Amino acid sequence: DTAVSQTPKYLVTQMGNDKSIKCEQNLGHDTMYWYKQDSKKFLKIMFSYNNKELIINETVPNRFSPKSPDKAHLNLHINSLELGDSAVYFCASSQSLPLDTQYFGPGTRLTVL
Amino acid sequence: AQSVAQPEDQVNVAEGNPLTVKCTYSVSGNPYLFWYVQYPNRGLQFLLKYITGDNLVKGSYGFEAEFNKSQTSFHLKKPSALVSDSALYFCAVRVNSGYALNFGKGTSLLVTP
Repeated sequence: DTAVSQTPKYLVTQMGNDKSIKCEQNLGHDTMYWYKQDSKKFLKIMFSYNNKELIINETVPNRFSPKSPDKAHLNLHINSLELGDSAVYFCASSQSLPLDTQYFGPGTRLTVL
Repeated sequence: AQSVAQPEDQVNVAEGNPLTVKCTYSVSGNPYLFWYVQYPNRGLQFLLKYITGDNLVKGSYGFEAEFNKSQTSFHLKKPSALVSDSALYFCAVRVNSGYALNFGKGTSLLVTP
């Protein structure tokens, strides 16, 4: 019974390509997130969606576009991939009120060649 | 801005000994603090959180953390370490808006037999 799932688990692609990562949660949460973990293991918030509305958009290039078709899904589309986009991307979800715990997906390791 | 600091890159402890992983915080208002653990090539697993109430918080896998307002600390502890506790540990604080988390840089815990 996977709570937060991501596909694919691994993604290897060439510079300049466009790719998407999908995330689904079955916890009934109203808020979903994308985090990026770089090669030094630093974790940083990219986006936060509450009830399908964008509420956090950190200084992320416009090439990154999140899309939330419903409260259970938050996909991440990346255009014109660059070498520096190589990282592990984590999806997470939580209930906004009360202050609930964030639960993380297994991560998607993106490698841009 | 809400932030946490983990002063140690690595903590080494012998199996059976008590362990402490340090975290200090800097927040405006009430801090909402979390500990997560990341095993190699895995997602983040929630250990425990402090929202309000008792300063000693008990969590998963025998871990606990002590919230200390005067020292602005939230150290993770376990009375008796196991080799299987070896992993990367992250302290995190919830940001003021948008429900996301700001993470520390992580502390690698190595428990030796």
